[in-house]
Amino acid sequence: SQQGEEDPQALSIQEGENATMNCSYKTSINNLQWYRQNSGRGLVHLILIRSNEREKHSGRLRVTLDTSKKSSSLLITASRAADTASYFCATIQETSGSRLTFGEGTQLTVNP
Amino acid sequence: DTGVSQDPRHKITKRGQNVTFRCDPISEHNRLYWYRQTLGQGPEFLTYFQNEAQLEKSRLLSDRFSAERPKGSFSTLEIQRTEQGDSAMYLCASSFGLMNTEAFFGQGTRLTVV
Repeated sequence: SQQGEEDPQALSIQEGENATMNCSYKTSINNLQWYRQNSGRGLVHLILIRSNEREKHSGRLRVTLDTSKKSSSLLITASRAADTASYFCATIQETSGSRLTFGEGTQLTVNP
Repeated sequence: DTGVSQDPRHKITKRGQNVTFRCDPISEHNRLYWYRQTLGQGPEFLTYFQNEAQLEKSRLLSDRFSAERPKGSFSTLEIQRTEQGDSAMYLCASSFGLMNTEAFFGQGTRLTVV
């Protein structure tokens, strides 16, 4: 069963705007990861945030984690048409060993 | 190193036939995962190996599915007596070390059962 739920399911913005995607999960986690998937391709790891971290940055990406609310957000700043993809959050739960449990994903479209 | 490699990239099979997929992980990675993904959904966990040991298998995985990782290197996923509901993208991923590490995914094998 899926652990996470992403919000929104789909997001369409103009190039240069910021995109924010949210993820909620149900059980205690060791870490939360964000992945990107271009249509019909494999997933690419973007960023990992541990359960004892609250915010992390990587280039144009900013991830926050609120373990009290069991939620995370991914912010992509100054978006580009090449950012168009599906974005998934995935958690490693405290009780699941090293299994990654994925959410349903957010489809981001960046219009040029 | 060329990353995680999956073969074949596409497979079309008739219902009732058996199919086998292969995954070659990144060479030093001790953990290997199989996931299944249908259109518009997130990847769904099937099974995972640490070296040659299969440590976890999804309860959703029927007895028609079997996976092996002989010698802790490449892995195979076999589906026996395929059904139309097995049509999906099958993704393999590998990682190294403990749980707080990223997983590297292959490009997937798209299975179509007709």
